[in-house]
Amino acid sequence: AQSVTQLGSHVSVSEGALVLLRCNYSSSVPPYLFWYVQYPNQGLQLLLKYTSAATLVKGINGFEAEFKKSETSFHLTKPSAHMSDAAEYFCAGQKTSYDKVIFGPGTSLSVIP
Amino acid sequence: DGGITQSPKYLFRKEGQNVTLSCEQNLNHDAMYWYRQDPGQGLRLIYYSHIVNDFQKGDIAEGYSVSREKKESFPLTVTSAQKNPTAFYLCASSIVSNEQFFGPGTRLTVL
Repeated sequence: AQSVTQLGSHVSVSEGALVLLRCNYSSSVPPYLFWYVQYPNQGLQLLLKYTSAATLVKGINGFEAEFKKSETSFHLTKPSAHMSDAAEYFCAGQKTSYDKVIFGPGTSLSVIP
Repeated sequence: DGGITQSPKYLFRKEGQNVTLSCEQNLNHDAMYWYRQDPGQGLRLIYYSHIVNDFQKGDIAEGYSVSREKKESFPLTVTSAQKNPTAFYLCASSIVSNEQFFGPGTRLTVL
C-alpha cells in the first residue's frame, strides 16, 4: 500500500537558517508528489508538485524540493527561514492521476526570532 | 474571484443531531473531496466525487453522507451515527490528475 511518512512532527529553526522538512514515500512507480502548507484554522495551499518533468521542483515563497528515486524521498527545503514560514506542512503522494491522494501526518514548523 | 467556499466556519451540534456542511466551488473542477483533520493525524478522506451524480467512499465514510447534484456543490452531512464528529473538515476540488485546491474549512464541535 502506498504511504507517505514525514520524519519529525515538529521542527524548530532560527530565523535566517535553513529549513529542511523530510518526506519519504513508498511506491513501486514514480508517483505524483506534493507539498502543501497550512496556516492555523485555514485550508491547505499548494507549495509545489512533482510530476516527473524535473527532479528539482521550485515552488512558491522560496521553497523547493528534490525528488530522489533511490531514496524514495521528496524533502522540502528553503535556504533562509522567515517568521511567516511558521505553519504546518504536509507532504502528499498519488500513484496515478485517478488514485486517492495520500497525505503524510504533517510537520509543524516553528521559526525562532 | 475563483475559489472554494465552505460554510459555516464554525458549527456547533448537539449529540444526536445531523448537520450539513456546505462546499461550493466556481473553478469548474470535476472532482471534489471531503477530508477530516484531527490533531497529529493529517488528513483522512471521507468521500470523493469525480463527476456529477457519482461519489465514492473514502477511508472513513461511516457516519457521513454526501450528494453531488451539481458540479459546483458537494455538501457533507455528519449524521448522528458518527461517534466522534468533533474535527476540522476540509473540502477540496481538482481537475482530475492535478493538484487539489482547498477551502478554508469548517470546525465542527459537538456539545
